[in-house]
Amino acid sequence: NAGVTQTPKFQVLKTGQSMTLQCAQDMNHEYMSWYRQDPGMGLRLIHYSVGAGITDQGEVPNGYNVSRSTTEDFPLRLLSAAPSQTSVYFCASRGDAGKLFFGSGTQLSVL
Amino acid sequence: RKEVEQDPGPFNVPEGATVAFNCTYSNSASQSFFWYRQDCRKEPKLLMSVYSSGNEDGRFTAQLNRASQYISLLIRDSKLSDSATYLCVVNRDNYGQNFVFGPGTRLSVLP
Repeated sequence: NAGVTQTPKFQVLKTGQSMTLQCAQDMNHEYMSWYRQDPGMGLRLIHYSVGAGITDQGEVPNGYNVSRSTTEDFPLRLLSAAPSQTSVYFCASRGDAGKLFFGSGTQLSVL
Repeated sequence: RKEVEQDPGPFNVPEGATVAFNCTYSNSASQSFFWYRQDCRKEPKLLMSVYSSGNEDGRFTAQLNRASQYISLLIRDSKLSDSATYLCVVNRDNYGQNFVFGPGTRLSVLP
């Protein structure tokens, strides 16, 4: 019972590099989302998707792109990494009664 | 002012103590409410949903006061394993697209 699988767990980038954080869920959930978590702040929504082919911006979308070609996958792309994007990233899908299921997180450092 | 605010913490309590966490939210149109638990360097996990009539799950009791826009979580007979950060989460709509997370309150239960 995999749930939400998120990779990689750790990543170090140099300023200006690009990368993709992978997220997959096997629960057939329509809603998926990406959050970042910074010290002293709550999780902040980056982008979300309510189904394949449909994405929308959250609270802090700048510098990130997403796509949703299948129900299962929702990758997050950093186009040109900046030190301000150093954070812990969580992918989540939403089940019944509004319950969010999270991936195990990616700790990203941008130097 | 943050949309969801919580006691700043940390709370350090002895085993067996009763501890209460408070949360306030500013958006009166918020529809649903949750408490999540997050262990150090782990993903958040749903602890319990919060219903208008109040609800209990074992040692945990959640209360909601819509008029005061206030949510609480009471933990009775604290265990060492309750040590974690507790996140108050508010959903602005019933479609699950607008979860807003509080910054969390850290609890340490001491032997």
